[in-house]
Amino acid sequence: NAGVTQTPKFQVLKTGQSMTLQCAQDMNHEYMSWYRQDPGMGLRLIHYSVGAGITDQGEVPNGYNVSRSTTEDFPLRLLSAAPSQTSVYFCASSPDSSDYGYTFGSGTRLTVV
Amino acid sequence: ELKVEQNPLFLSMQEGKNYTIYCNYSTTSDRLYWYRQDPGKSLESLFVLLSNGAVKQEGRLMASLDTKARLSTLHITAAVHDLSATYFCAVDPNYGGSQGNLIFGKGTKLSVKP
Repeated sequence: NAGVTQTPKFQVLKTGQSMTLQCAQDMNHEYMSWYRQDPGMGLRLIHYSVGAGITDQGEVPNGYNVSRSTTEDFPLRLLSAAPSQTSVYFCASSPDSSDYGYTFGSGTRLTVV
Repeated sequence: ELKVEQNPLFLSMQEGKNYTIYCNYSTTSDRLYWYRQDPGKSLESLFVLLSNGAVKQEGRLMASLDTKARLSTLHITAAVHDLSATYFCAVDPNYGGSQGNLIFGKGTKLSVKP
């Protein structure tokens, strides 16, 4: 089991560029979610999904899109990158009961210049 | 809107001392999670608390949950340097059944000094 795999680990974007952060899990978890971590802010929820074909917005969804076409993958798209989106992004997954907690990926450090 | 407040946000401890980190949340919830994060690393699950009165212990850390008071505590006993990290609590805002989303506190940065 690889767990939760995020790619890339580091990325520098220019303002206005678009990109997709990848997240894949091989644990057959139903729940997947994206968070951003900024200094002094903890982790803030961007989007989440309870299963293939179902997504919902979290606390800070603006500027981000998601889709969930398979159980394994939950990509996060930045439509037009802005410096305010400079952050560390974490993907997490959990079985549908969440009784066992959430497994986090290793993160993607994104810088928008 | 669920708010999760941790205190203190910064904690400097001496080795061998005891201390408690508090996690308050603003709406009804019956699921709370504690995580540890080392600098530059991902989040490591410490405890999953699923009911009122739940208490879990692992080594020098003990976590508890009081859903009526909307309060969880993370107690550190006889701190050692290896416990230096940032600790987060996270609350499931969906009482009675998870929906896959968590709301995090801002974290407590713990530094244990000799």
